[in-house]
Amino acid sequence: SQTIHQWPATLVQPVGSPLSLECTVEGTSNPNLYWYRQAAGRGLQLLFYSVGIGQISSEVPQNLSASRPQDRQFILSSKKLLLSDSGFYLCAWGQDDRPQHFGDGTRLSIL
Amino acid sequence: GQSLEQPSEVTAVEGAIVQINCTYQTSGFYGLSWYQQHDGGAPTFLSYNALDGLEETGRFSSFLSRSDSYGYLLLQELQMKDSASYFCAVRPNTGGFKTIFGAGTRLFVKA
Repeated sequence: SQTIHQWPATLVQPVGSPLSLECTVEGTSNPNLYWYRQAAGRGLQLLFYSVGIGQISSEVPQNLSASRPQDRQFILSSKKLLLSDSGFYLCAWGQDDRPQHFGDGTRLSIL
Repeated sequence: GQSLEQPSEVTAVEGAIVQINCTYQTSGFYGLSWYQQHDGGAPTFLSYNALDGLEETGRFSSFLSRSDSYGYLLLQELQMKDSASYFCAVRPNTGGFKTIFGAGTRLFVKA
């Protein structure tokens, strides 16, 4: 069966610190991968998506970056976090043209 | 621009039928998706309408009318566990795999 793992579940970081969130997918090949951010009570904002290894599309200019070093691995990073980076970060994958399976999410709080 | 509008809240009684509307302003898109998200959880994919008309999946049905720039999610035989937020989403046909989400409709099911 297909599964998606995302960690950590919760993270508290100081302003200016680096960030690395990892997401891995099992049971499928060459998935489309997505990183979304959700503010409390709001919809999902697409940050990055990837259709293949090393192929990253950025949707929102910001201090975040993404990488896909392996087919089923998607990493979200930042060199220096801002207060505005707080939120609920969700990794997702799909084989069609839309996200179909989401990870459990990471709640990121910036202090 | 591209935007999706949904009611912020809907309240219904257990066992009833509820319709959650989604109106959109976008020049063109590939299909309309619906997602469910319980408090604190990750979204789950519910349905996808590539063509106009009604798609039925168990107690849930989704409808799309491109000529009316309108779609809806229909939930029948409401259960308490259906209390959640529901998001509509589209992938614009402007290239890439960007999926735009509405702000979500919070459904409260009362006994």
